[in-house]
This record gives sequence, C-alpha cells and structure tokens, in this order.
Amino acid sequence: DAMVIQNPRYQVTQFGKPVTLSCSQTLNHNVMYWYQQKSSQAPKLLFHYYDKDFNNEADTPDNFQSRRPNTSFCFLDIRSPGLGDAAMYLCATSRTLGHQSYEQYFGPGTRLTVT
Amino acid sequence: ILNVEQSPQSLHVQEGDSTNFTCSFPSSNFYALHWYRWETAKSPEALFVMTLNGDEKKKGRISATLNTKEGYSYLYIKGSQPEDSATYLCAFSGGSNYKLTFGKGTLLTVNP
Repeated sequence: DAMVIQNPRYQVTQFGKPVTLSCSQTLNHNVMYWYQQKSSQAPKLLFHYYDKDFNNEADTPDNFQSRRPNTSFCFLDIRSPGLGDAAMYLCATSRTLGHQSYEQYFGPGTRLTVT
Repeated sequence: ILNVEQSPQSLHVQEGDSTNFTCSFPSSNFYALHWYRWETAKSPEALFVMTLNGDEKKKGRISATLNTKEGYSYLYIKGSQPEDSATYLCAFSGGSNYKLTFGKGTLLTVNP
C-alpha cells in the first residue's frame, strides 16, 4: 500500500501559470520534505515542515511556496513557473528530525513540464 | 557546500554478474549515510541507513560498507538480476545540519 502519495504523477503547465503539486502520507510522520531533481542532478531539498514549522532552504527561490494544512497533506506551489523549473519533484517524510539517522519515505514524484 | 559524489554515473552488467559502486562524502562531522534504490516509475526506497564507522549491512544479495574516516561507502550487489536495474542514490548527513545531501546516483542496468 502506498504510504506517500503524490498527485499528479505528470503535470504540464504553461510558462508563468501557477501550479500546485500535492503530497499526502499515511505514516503520520512529523516531517515532510520537498525535493527538486533536475535531469542528471542530485535531488535538492527545497524546504521541509516539522509539524507546522516551515523551514526554507536558503537558496530556494521565492517562486516556490509550500503549505501543510494538516499532518497528512503538504502542497508545493510554484507561483510563476519558468522553463528552468521543469524537473521531478519528490515529496518525502520522516518520523522526526535529528541527525537524519531516520530513513526518509518517498513518493513516486511528480514530473513537471513547463511549456 | 557538502559534496557527495557517486561513481560510476552508470553501468551495464550481465545477469549473474556481481557489481559494486561508490559513494564518497565529507569525512568530518559525520552522522549518517543512507542508500536508496529508485526504480523507474516507482518511489525511492531506503536500503540502508549506516551510522558507525566499519558498519556492514546486508539485505538479500545487496550489502554496503561504511568508512567514515576516509569518507566512502560501497554498495555491492551479488549475482545481479534484471529486477536490480534502478538508480542507486546515496545521501549524507553531518555537521550541525539535519538534512540529507544526495549524490547524483548510479544508474544500474542488468541485462538478461
């Protein structure tokens, strides 16, 4: 049974048209993460939530926002997608934060295309 | 900026071959090294989380070793099968930073 679900799996949006990617989890984990992976690159952390506390990575563009209305759901909003935002977006969860000896559980990703 | 390097970038092996690949990471302020397997169209799945120097972990035909003093980990696959075809990602956490820094992955293709 899927534990971290991402919808949609494929998303096509137009340049400058806002888009929202969704993630849900059945693990009741405290932490939810969003990663961006561009072609042939390493997954890069954009931000994470620890419960309701939002933590943005310093180099995450302002164009990217996130919402976590409850434990189960987390959304990635891209306000004005550019061609450079085309990527795979991965959502992940972990039980808690610490020194990251806790494994992360990933969804299958949403592949975003910007036309 | 933390540097996590994986090599090779990709490799092709024949069914039944054994193979290994490498993850190198900063050797100071180490906390954990993760290995994930990512099959096409599926979710990345944790294989191992390693925290102690000299750790060796095994899951079926897959095993991993860890050397935190020199900053590397090896992943071994014995008797590769086509279902082992996937991208293998390693990720490092260390210092005062909770987050995982990923490598670019090694794409393994096992030919029947």
